[in-house]
Amino acid sequence: DVKVTQSSRYLVKRTGEKVFLECVQDMDHENMFWYRQDPGLGLRLIYFSYDVKMKEKGDIPEGYSVSREKKERFSLILESASTNQTSMYLCASNHGPTVAYQETQYFGPGTRLLVL
Amino acid sequence: AQTVTQSQPEMSVQEAETVTLSCTYDTSESDYYLFWYKQPPSRQMILVIRQEAYKQQNATENRFSVNFQKAAKSFSLKISDSQLGDAAMYFCAYRSLEYGNKLVFGAGTILRVKS
Repeated sequence: DVKVTQSSRYLVKRTGEKVFLECVQDMDHENMFWYRQDPGLGLRLIYFSYDVKMKEKGDIPEGYSVSREKKERFSLILESASTNQTSMYLCASNHGPTVAYQETQYFGPGTRLLVL
Repeated sequence: AQTVTQSQPEMSVQEAETVTLSCTYDTSESDYYLFWYKQPPSRQMILVIRQEAYKQQNATENRFSVNFQKAAKSFSLKISDSQLGDAAMYFCAYRSLEYGNKLVFGAGTILRVKS
């Protein structure tokens, strides 16, 4: 079974704090993704990575950065948390382009972040 | 850019009955994939069913089936013999072949199952 884990299920931070969200997958996947999920908006892609040290901006990268130093780990960083970053954050992973494009993404359980 | 629209924020179904969740999308591409994901309360999102655009035959997975209308850009999910465990948020998602791994999601539909 594919396992994608996230470091915290719930997190409460203060405005201006630096926040790290971590994601680990155990299936040797090349691709990893960070989404945020908001009511009425579905999931929106923040950043994704297709290899170690490689990253690409998604649809809403402003206010976020990412780090991928090891293949199995993908971190999302909020440099200076703001209240409008209160959301559910989901990590996902899957294999790279050598695998058929029909492959699904495998999701972690999510981190619910509250910024006060 | 592709967009995905789920026009039903919430749906209810009686246990053992059938329910259909709607999804429409907008694209200029001819080849792509479509997915339905299920997110149970406080649990991980999982794949329910997928459809390749080049296949005319509608995908089925046990009690779950889709009605894929390519010309109408419609991709609805039918759940037969609904069970309490089907209660969840359901997301429709589009995957471009040109843009590889990106998924574009709809806003989601909350499905409630009444016993």
